[in-house]
Amino acid sequence: DTEVTQTPKHLVMGMTNKKSLKCEQHMGHRAMYWYKQKAKKPPELMFVYSYEKLSINESVPSRFSPECPNSSLLNLHLHALQPEDSALYLCASGAGTGGHEKLFFGSGTQLSVL
Amino acid sequence: GESVGLHLPTLSVQEGDNSIINCAYSNSASDYFIWYKQESGKGPQFIIDIRSNMDKRQGQRVTVLLNKTVKHLSLQIAATQPGDSAVYFCAENQGGNEKLTFGTGTRLTIIP
Repeated sequence: DTEVTQTPKHLVMGMTNKKSLKCEQHMGHRAMYWYKQKAKKPPELMFVYSYEKLSINESVPSRFSPECPNSSLLNLHLHALQPEDSALYLCASGAGTGGHEKLFFGSGTQLSVL
Repeated sequence: GESVGLHLPTLSVQEGDNSIINCAYSNSASDYFIWYKQESGKGPQFIIDIRSNMDKRQGQRVTVLLNKTVKHLSLQIAATQPGDSAVYFCAENQGGNEKLTFGTGTRLTIIP
């Protein structure tokens, strides 16, 4: 099973809402990633968890709060978002070797903030 | 041709011809590179990777070339098919660092 599953596929939320994005992988990978992708742009790294510990935070605003409950699951909690946060949010996983590894991506959650 | 800003560089190729997609990377310390394919509504899909101790690697219908001197990477797709239409991204990584950084991307369109 080489699949990374993300839910929901689409999400519309208001600026005062709280919502969560979920990601799951069963490849035994020990590194999990959140990327943000705006239309016609490349994915931009937000967070990396390695062995369930946050190892990289790319200066992401605190209205985005990641959580890694176990090595198979990754969540992204959203609160008080702005319309400019509308984007495709991609989850990825990797073996956790600290670099030199291919990442496997989910299909993403298309988020619209109204 | 290439453009910057809001528009992806684009490449249109006749079905059955070979495609060459280019990428200039930024970090001279990067030593691992990946090409991804992203179709509309999907996440990036791994195509092929290469380490900096190699200058060429071949897969099924694809070849990646690496020129470290000029920090340039290319992806060659042989005998392109309609299913090859997508946006292609190169990505770079520096060993010992989990960060994988994506390049601008190129939209490949296959003309029937």
